[in-house]
Amino acid sequence: QKEVEQDPGPLSVPEGAIVSLNCTYSNSAFQYFMWYRQYSRKGPELLMYTYSSGNKEDGRFTAQVDKSSKYISLFIRDSQPSDSATYLCARGGAGANSKLTFGKGITLSVRP
Amino acid sequence: GAGVSQTPSNKVTEKGKYVELRCDPISGHTALYWYRQSLGQGPEFLIYFQGTGAADDSGLPNDRFFAVRPEGSVSTLKIQRTERGDSAVYLCASSSDRGQGYTFGSGTRLTVV
Repeated sequence: QKEVEQDPGPLSVPEGAIVSLNCTYSNSAFQYFMWYRQYSRKGPELLMYTYSSGNKEDGRFTAQVDKSSKYISLFIRDSQPSDSATYLCARGGAGANSKLTFGKGITLSVRP
Repeated sequence: GAGVSQTPSNKVTEKGKYVELRCDPISGHTALYWYRQSLGQGPEFLIYFQGTGAADDSGLPNDRFFAVRPEGSVSTLKIQRTERGDSAVYLCASSSDRGQGYTFGSGTRLTVV
């Protein structure tokens, strides 16, 4: 089993839809979870950073970590065509600056 | 600088040649990371520097890969005797002591022909 598994894509939704992106992870020892957005031919850009369990909201984006089920989710409200990108979930190691393990990424397309 | 700068943005090399990829992190960031991203995959960790020293090089695939950061700022990833399987986007990232996620550069797209 890979350390971080991400739902396969691609995903296409109409503008204004609520998007739910999901990942599972295998090792419950880790505390840091992130979501990155990657546009074509660009580096990943940090969207959300969470420590331990719970929800974190930033504008139209909500990140959720459920440690009991080892589930990480990203919700995008009122999706826009500019949200079309690849979304990568990642988990950190024991320290804040430790290496990240990424999922494969899911490509989202928001249709106008 | 304002962001993480990587040069060159594209590199095409012949099998067996030596290549160097450069990363200029955000000013003041002490931690620097190299990742490799193949098509359709997430980035895979290669090496992490804290200051001048490699704190974790467990992701380097073999001894053809080597990275340095002699003055604790700019880093160079060096690949000897390149193979076609080395073709990928090589990403560099940096972060401050506070952690809370990295800032990535746009990457160097390496193609070995």
